[in-house]
Amino acid sequence: GENVEQHPSTLSVQEGDSAVIKCTYSDSASNYFPWYKQELGKGPQLIIDIRSNVGEKKDQRIAVTLNKTAKHFSLHITETQPEDSAVYFCAASASRGSTLGRLYFGRGTQLTVWP
Amino acid sequence: NAGVTQTPKFQVLKTGQSMTLQCAQDMNHEYMSWYRQDPGMGLRLIHYSVGAGITDQGEVPNGYNVSRSTTEDFPLRLLSAAPSQTSVYFCASSFDRGAEAFFGQGTRLTVV
Repeated sequence: GENVEQHPSTLSVQEGDSAVIKCTYSDSASNYFPWYKQELGKGPQLIIDIRSNVGEKKDQRIAVTLNKTAKHFSLHITETQPEDSAVYFCAASASRGSTLGRLYFGRGTQLTVWP
Repeated sequence: NAGVTQTPKFQVLKTGQSMTLQCAQDMNHEYMSWYRQDPGMGLRLIHYSVGAGITDQGEVPNGYNVSRSTTEDFPLRLLSAAPSQTSVYFCASSFDRGAEAFFGQGTRLTVV
């Protein structure tokens, strides 16, 4: 099955700085890459996703980039704010094969934004 | 919109006891799944269902059973609880495989 690696496991930034979280995947059949934010005591919530037919997607302060050749994708948060503090998970999903549609998650990144 | 509702939020079990974690969604989603979240391990898939009457195993299915008699409900049964099943459990649903997954608030289970 798919193997998703996520780095770093913890990340501390000053308010206003940028944060970057990186993930790699192993299955070339994966073509859907969502990012989830999990606040303390809550379930993960989708913040942005990208499919393999595009290389970059932006939504206000959040952007995701995808390099299919290298099998890695990244989350970029600009102008960070204290409310961005949370655990972030990347995931990968394939559109064909025995694991069709199953989400494989990275181990998460604890982001702390200091005021 | 309630979304995905999980009950209970917290549960303590003794080793060997059985219980059912409830999950219900009101979005008419076909695809539902159960994950467990352990520190430093991310979310691991236990079981999933692509529609009523159809279930399949994920990465870590041992010790758990599921059924899907309706589109709305997807309960997870622990047959004989073990301390290794101490975890936070999340139910999720999506319109289809490969679509946005909506998660419940989780059930924190402790087995003593």
